[in-house]
Amino acid sequence: GNSVTQMEGPVTLSEEAFLTINCTYTATGYPSLFWYVQYPGEGLQLLLKATKADDKGSNKGFEATYRKETTSFHLEKGSVQVSDSAVYFCALINDTGGFKTIFGAGTRLFVKA
Amino acid sequence: GAVVSQHPSRVICKSGTSVKIECRSLDFQATTMFWYRQFPKQSLMLMATSNEGSKATYEQGVEKDKFLINHASLTLSTLTVTSAHPEDSSFYICSAQDLGGEKLFFGSGTQLSVL
Repeated sequence: GNSVTQMEGPVTLSEEAFLTINCTYTATGYPSLFWYVQYPGEGLQLLLKATKADDKGSNKGFEATYRKETTSFHLEKGSVQVSDSAVYFCALINDTGGFKTIFGAGTRLFVKA
Repeated sequence: GAVVSQHPSRVICKSGTSVKIECRSLDFQATTMFWYRQFPKQSLMLMATSNEGSKATYEQGVEKDKFLINHASLTLSTLTVTSAHPEDSSFYICSAQDLGGEKLFFGSGTQLSVL
């Protein structure tokens, strides 16, 4: 079946530090991969996505590369800001799963000034 | 941008009562809405897929009679937890899929506590 595993948080960083949030997946076929972000008190928002192997999704300084050989989609940012404090969800959609979104457990990021 | 409103954000109820949660797409039409449940430190678990004008499709292990879903229009889906019990206490979140099929927008979730 389809599943997503992401690193357990919380992750606490100082401002301008480098961020990596690991995400690996299990899926048949060729899923699309997503990172969602949930800021406090708000709904989940799509942060970035990649639809095929070796694609790199990027947005707001965040990047993630679809690695089929390692079944990974790690989220990275070179220099985090306090405003990046949020919960980040890795997710996949797979046509073999009827395009239902499968989420990871979420990783909470705290960025200190 | 597209917004999904989920209401209420938090509800506390007595065991045996029913609770209705609404999920509205505010500025787009959603033929498909999804309802998820999340236990602490676990991923969101899909409960059911709600298609406008038809019966919801429930995931294995989800009781249809307990979690009633109605998707009467392209902008509204409701989840009713009937005869709630403490084990139903959880975080429920809806998401709405746009007509293009791959963009997903989420409500802010409902924290249900059953006493």
